[in-house]
Amino acid sequence: QVQVVESGGGLVKPGGSLRLSCATSGFTFSDYYMIWIRQAPGKGLEWVSYISSGGDVIYYADSVKGRVTISRDNAEKSLYLQMNSLRAEDTAVYYCARCLLVGKGMDVWGQGTTVTVSS
Amino acid sequence: QSALTQPASVSGSPGQSITISCTGTSSDVGGYNYFSWYQQHPGKAPKLMLYDVGNRPSGVSNRFSGSKSDNTASLTISGLQADDEGDYYCSLYTTGNTVVFGGGTKLTVL
Repeated sequence: QVQVVESGGGLVKPGGSLRLSCATSGFTFSDYYMIWIRQAPGKGLEWVSYISSGGDVIYYADSVKGRVTISRDNAEKSLYLQMNSLRAEDTAVYYCARCLLVGKGMDVWGQGTTVTVSS
Repeated sequence: QSALTQPASVSGSPGQSITISCTGTSSDVGGYNYFSWYQQHPGKAPKLMLYDVGNRPSGVSNRFSGSKSDNTASLTISGLQADDEGDYYCSLYTTGNTVVFGGGTKLTVL
């Protein structure tokens, strides 16, 4: 069964850090680009970052650039998102998703992990 | 990274057809077909409905179809059903290798 499962969310104070993880199964992880997308409460979807299958191509949204780092471990079939200098506006459900192909959309989504930034 | 423009809401009766538009900038679209569409039910993860404007992943009903004209992609749902109700988001892989989403459209089945 193809699936991705996010973890690592929680409550953190402004300026704090958090590392999100995404464990995958049921497909050859190393063949796929992976992506993080977030959704603030009551708001729409927002792209955060994506990484190529080999980890050598990485892009970030302007809203998080310089504060987050995406990475992957193909041996562990896992995706990560290190988030630093967190702000209230980073509060959201963070989804990990598999990219069908570059530019072709995201075909496998997790249920998300909730990050709340509040003092 | 300009957001895509979608109508905030659309509605239709069971059996009818509806269309949701999604407009990007010419610089972001660049003449390519990298539009995709997602359906999201409350409290659930999004689901890919169409990619490359009009291609359906396995398992998606053929009641869902897509088209594109210039910088605007459109999602059409024919034979509306109650379960089609939810939020729909378009997405674009831009010429700058970034990803942008539309603000979302709430579909109400009357």
